[in-house]
Amino acid sequence: SQKIEQNSEALNIQEGKTATLTCNYTNYSPAYLQWYRQDPGRGPVFLLLIRENEKEKRKERLKVTFDTTLKQSLFHITASQPADSATYLCAPDRGSTLGRLYFGRGTQLTVWP
Amino acid sequence: EPEVTQTPSHQVTQMGQEVILRCVPISNHLYFYWYRQILGQKVEFLVSFYNNEISEKSEIFDDQFSVERPDGSNFTLKIRSTKLEDSAMYFCASSVVGQGGGGYTFGSGTRLTVV
Repeated sequence: SQKIEQNSEALNIQEGKTATLTCNYTNYSPAYLQWYRQDPGRGPVFLLLIRENEKEKRKERLKVTFDTTLKQSLFHITASQPADSATYLCAPDRGSTLGRLYFGRGTQLTVWP
Repeated sequence: EPEVTQTPSHQVTQMGQEVILRCVPISNHLYFYWYRQILGQKVEFLVSFYNNEISEKSEIFDDQFSVERPDGSNFTLKIRSTKLEDSAMYFCASSVVGQGGGGYTFGSGTRLTVV
């Protein structure tokens, strides 16, 4: 069955540094990969989607890469701020099943001043 | 910014009782979903709904669960006879397209506690 692994430990970084979160997947080939942010007690908030034929996508301070050979996506937050502290979820998407996203467990990011 | 609205925010129910969780998706969205998240666990897919019928459902979505779009704005999840293990955060989501065209907009969730 498909398996999604994100950074197994929480990530703590200092304000201003770049946070890099990893998403690895096995046993399937997603056509897209989505990243979400989740704050405690809240629903996931969509951040970025990258397609299998795109190597990299950017949105403001966010950058996502997608390596289908390595079966990995990297999510970068540059110039991180304490407000970026949250859990970040990746969801590789086959694109063939309507609405069924498989989420990773998430990486809890803490940015300290 | 358009929102997906869920009510109630918290529901406590006795085991064996029926509960209905309500959602108002974004008005121009065509695809609707329910997900759940048990405390400390992953967000899990339950069901997707398009064109007034279920498009796909997971193994979790058994005969105890049903969904309905009773009018042009509401989307509901019913659990017929709740079990302790149904305690979780339930999220409704909606999207303009089914997959690949963009992300899903999630509501803030209903925390269901079965006692």
